[in-house]
Parts: sequence; structure tokens; C-alpha cells
Amino acid sequence: TQLLEQSPQFLSIQEGENLTVYCNSSSVFSSLQWYRQEPGEGPVLLVTVVTGGEVKKLKRLTFQFGDARKDSSLHITAAQPGDTGLYLCAGARSYIPTFGRGTSLIVHP
Amino acid sequence: NAGVTQTPKFRVLKTGQSMTLLCAQDMNHEYMYWYRQDPGMGLRLIHYSVGEGTTAKGEVPDGYNVSRLKKQNFLLGLESAAPSQTSVYFCASSLRDRGTEQYFGPGTRLTVT
Repeated sequence: TQLLEQSPQFLSIQEGENLTVYCNSSSVFSSLQWYRQEPGEGPVLLVTVVTGGEVKKLKRLTFQFGDARKDSSLHITAAQPGDTGLYLCAGARSYIPTFGRGTSLIVHP
Repeated sequence: NAGVTQTPKFRVLKTGQSMTLLCAQDMNHEYMYWYRQDPGMGLRLIHYSVGEGTTAKGEVPDGYNVSRLKKQNFLLGLESAAPSQTSVYFCASSLRDRGTEQYFGPGTRLTVT
């Protein structure tokens, strides 16, 4: 059983569209991270959310941590081809994070 | 500041051969991790270290050994490679007080035939 479920698994959209990806769990986390991984490279940390209900913005990306600290969402406004990649969430209950399997996003020009 | 580096980038092994993957970080991070990434399986933790001279098993440790003799280096060894160990291996590091914010290396693509 996967501790962190990410949905959708795949997403293929046109440039300019909006999208939301989800990271859900039945467990409570002390913090949650989002990473983006481009083909042939390692994941790169985008954001950490810590407080239930917290919202963080990174340019066109909006991250939200659920009130109960069990889930999170990533919303991208006006997606661009440069947003293409694998988006991974990772939840932490100690210093060992658990990764979801990721959402693979393709943004077509 | 190179961050996290991994060597080699690519390697092909025959079944039964051994090899060592090297991870180095120049950020003075206390924690270091080895993951493998397989299609549809996400990142799975192999071994990790919370400091020089200490190592611990992760989710999928069988067939691998690790050593952390220096704070900046974390070595992953395969004593007798098997085709099931064909994967992309990532090393990561983090600060002790921000342990789950990890910085990843570029990966090593290993094929075992």
C-alpha cells in the first residue's frame, strides 16, 4: 500500500491551461515537500509546507497543505512547456521522507 | 559549489559483477540517502546515513551495502549485481534540522545484463 497517493498519474495539456495535481494520504505528516524532476535529472525541491491550511505561491505555482496535514495540492496557472516534468510529493513524519509515485505532466506548445 | 555529485553517470554490468557508486556533497549536510527509481515505482529508499560512520537500512536494502567514512561522501556498493538491480540510482543529502528537504544528485543509470 502506497503511503502517499498522487493523482492523476499522467497529465497532457496545452500551453495556457490550468491544472491541479493531488497528493493524498491517510497519515498525518509534520511537513510535506513538492519536487519537480526533469528527464535525465534528479528531483529539485520546489517548496515545503508545514502548517495545516498553509498556502504557498511560487510564481504560477500554488501549493496548499490540507487542514489535517494529510494531503496537499499543487495548482499551476497558465501552464507553459517549461513546466513539463514529473511532480513528486514527499511526506515526512521524521527525517525520513516517503515519496509518492509522481504525476507526469506534459505541456504542449 | 557543486551541490551533490554522483559518479559514474552510466554503467553496464554483467550479472555477478560488483561495483561502487560514489556520492559527494559539498554543502556540509549531515544526512545522506540512496534511492532507486524504477518506472511506476517512484523513489524507494535503499539506505541512509544520519552522520559520519553511521548507516541504516531503508525500504529496499537487500543486495546493497553502504559506507559513510567521511561526512561528504556516501558510497553504495553492489557485491553481486543482478538484473533486478537495473535502475536509476539517486543520492540525496539534507541538513539535520531540515532533514526532509533533500538535494539530489543527477543520478546513475545502471544496467545489469
